[in-house]
Amino acid sequence: DAKTTQPPSMDCAEGRAANLPCNHSTISGNEYVYWYRQIHSQGPQYIIHGLKNNETNEMASLIITEDRKSSTLILPHATLRDTAVYYCIVRGTYNTDKLIFGTGTRLQVFP
Amino acid sequence: DTGVSQDPRHKITKRGQNVTFRCDPISEHNRLYWYRQTLGQGPEFLTYFQNEAQLEKSRLLSDRFSAERPKGSFSTLEIQRTEQGDSAMYLCASSTGQGEFKNIQYFGAGTRLSVL
Repeated sequence: DAKTTQPPSMDCAEGRAANLPCNHSTISGNEYVYWYRQIHSQGPQYIIHGLKNNETNEMASLIITEDRKSSTLILPHATLRDTAVYYCIVRGTYNTDKLIFGTGTRLQVFP
Repeated sequence: DTGVSQDPRHKITKRGQNVTFRCDPISEHNRLYWYRQTLGQGPEFLTYFQNEAQLEKSRLLSDRFSAERPKGSFSTLEIQRTEQGDSAMYLCASSTGQGEFKNIQYFGAGTRLSVL
């Protein structure tokens, strides 16, 4: 699975959009980008995933660049409850086993 | 609650004691995973089951660790002769293995182990 690089921390004002970047320059053609988040003292929570098209669900939007070497997770209207560590993970469709987590981005939403 | 359930939530033990954790996956999820997480780090994979078969074990899983999933439903993770370095959050996750979201893993809240 390709490695990912994320900034260690970011801040965002409540109500504003939070844009979390992820670099995955060695991603291969059949690898998906997954995002999970982990709120303090809880297990990781799945947010969204995508291959090459932009994706949106009730939690977030995922924008993947055309060359697929980077992506951005967008929380359109951040709330205090979105304060968490966000993990960007790249894995192939054939992978049914482990997720490889990095250290993620610690997002702090402030009032 | 139909999510992944882990028991206990917290466990304090003395060095050298054995501990066992239980995980109940989401109903009908045939894949079950164990991870370990230490402070400030992301979760690290330990082992993975498909139904009752243990298909992969990490090198992190020393011979003091054993995991089972006897009937393909709940799983247990046992640590023998605990050491202070075993102090961590132990996370369980499950996935369907089928359909569009077959590879999405759903996590429990974890068991926090403290070895004194």
